Amino acid sequence: QLQLQESGPGLVKPSETLSLTCDVSGGSISPYYWTWIRQPPGKGLEWIGYIYYTGRTKYNPSLRSRVTFSVDTSKNQFSLQLTSVTAADTAVYYCARGGGGVDHWGQGTLVTVSS
Amino acid sequence: DIVMTQSPDSLAVSLGERATINCKSSQSVFSSSDSKNYLLWYQQKSGQPPSTLIYWASTRESGVPDRFSGNGSATNFTLTITSLQAEDVAVYYCQQYYTTPYTFGQGTKLEIK
Repeated sequence: QLQLQESGPGLVKPSETLSLTCDVSGGSISPYYWTWIRQPPGKGLEWIGYIYYTGRTKYNPSLRSRVTFSVDTSKNQFSLQLTSVTAADTAVYYCARGGGGVDHWGQGTLVTVSS
Repeated sequence: DIVMTQSPDSLAVSLGERATINCKSSQSVFSSSDSKNYLLWYQQKSGQPPSTLIYWASTRESGVPDRFSGNGSATNFTLTITSLQAEDVAVYYCQQYYTTPYTFGQGTKLEIK
């Protein structure tokens, strides 16, 4: 059974970089697309972007200047980096399988941006 | 960006009754090249990640009860839950995956009356 698990710091200071990793178990990272989605507390869902197992990416233009995805097929994981964070980046960050629609989700990890 | 608008924002339905949630897109999400609507429905229960209910606007994900159904085309879509069960209390989101950035509706909160 495919499982995804996000990991990373739960607290990030303003102007610093948010880094998260999604570990994929119970299945291979190839040949799939992998997506990051976030949800501010009490609010709706925002698509951040996706990465193909080859490394090809597509980002939300609203975040493109600050976000970078990477994938490590040897470790069966993919990652997100978001630079210059502000309080507006406080959210639960989900990793998921799929490029457009997604069919498997991680449990999500809350990242709070605060000094 | 394609704007997805759901109605109503919240809905209270009696157990065993029908619930209908609407989703409207600001432009068509129908692809004539493959005759598919690039529209998904998710269910998010309190404190949990979303789970996929329906894709291609009307295809149920494996394991989803058949009381959930999706309909519509182009810009107007509905999610219908027949015979509401207590475990269906959740927030429901539609999402278009026709063009990036993929976008979500604001969510519809479904409660028991």
